Amino acid sequence: EPEVTQTPSHQVTQMGQEVILRCVPISNHLYFYWYRQILGQKVEFLVSFYNNEISEKSEIFDDQFSVERPDGSNFTLKIRSTKLEDSAMYFCASSEASRSSGANVLTFGAGSRLTVL
Amino acid sequence: AQSVTQLGSHVSVSEGALVLLRCNYSSSVPPYLFWYVQYPNQGLQLLLKYTSAATLVKGINGFEAEFKKSETSFHLTKPSAHMRDAAEYFCAVSLYNQGGKLIFGQGTELSVKP
Repeated sequence: EPEVTQTPSHQVTQMGQEVILRCVPISNHLYFYWYRQILGQKVEFLVSFYNNEISEKSEIFDDQFSVERPDGSNFTLKIRSTKLEDSAMYFCASSEASRSSGANVLTFGAGSRLTVL
Repeated sequence: AQSVTQLGSHVSVSEGALVLLRCNYSSSVPPYLFWYVQYPNQGLQLLLKYTSAATLVKGINGFEAEFKKSETSFHLTKPSAHMRDAAEYFCAVSLYNQGGKLIFGQGTELSVKP
């Protein structure tokens, strides 16, 4: 069964360092997403991406965050200068359905755990 | 704004017992509702979804959920728990025009005792 793969599974970084989390979505999917879950809190929407541009972003997704689809397969989340509060599990997801459909079924990756020291 | 509340962060049942995981939502317009499951070291996997068709929705692995508009609930049930059902379960809501932007509950960890 097709799956979304994420790397690294766990990254430890120093505060202020740049981090790039990578995702390979399902090949025929057109919509891509990042979510995060801070330990003990809810899974939160960060950003959605379609046709090489951001479709929607949450207020969490400030100027320190950026997303990119550098080639035909990867989808990356960059945090420019990490803060302690960026420590979380980051989930990538993709879907094939219309952006405007709330019935979209998202396929999630296993997550990348980011620890900022 | 929509929101989701899952009652009970941890539920423990015996193998063979009924599983009931509670989810209540808040939405000003008819929502789409989802249950996802996360097994250890794996991604979130869709169990089932409600998209305004039948109010009783059947999903994978014997799970089902019933949409009750009057109670703003979408509780997840399974008649007989298996050890392999031990996982974390997430209820989520989205609106018709916000595809992919899911609002999640805080999750319920299900333990199954032999």
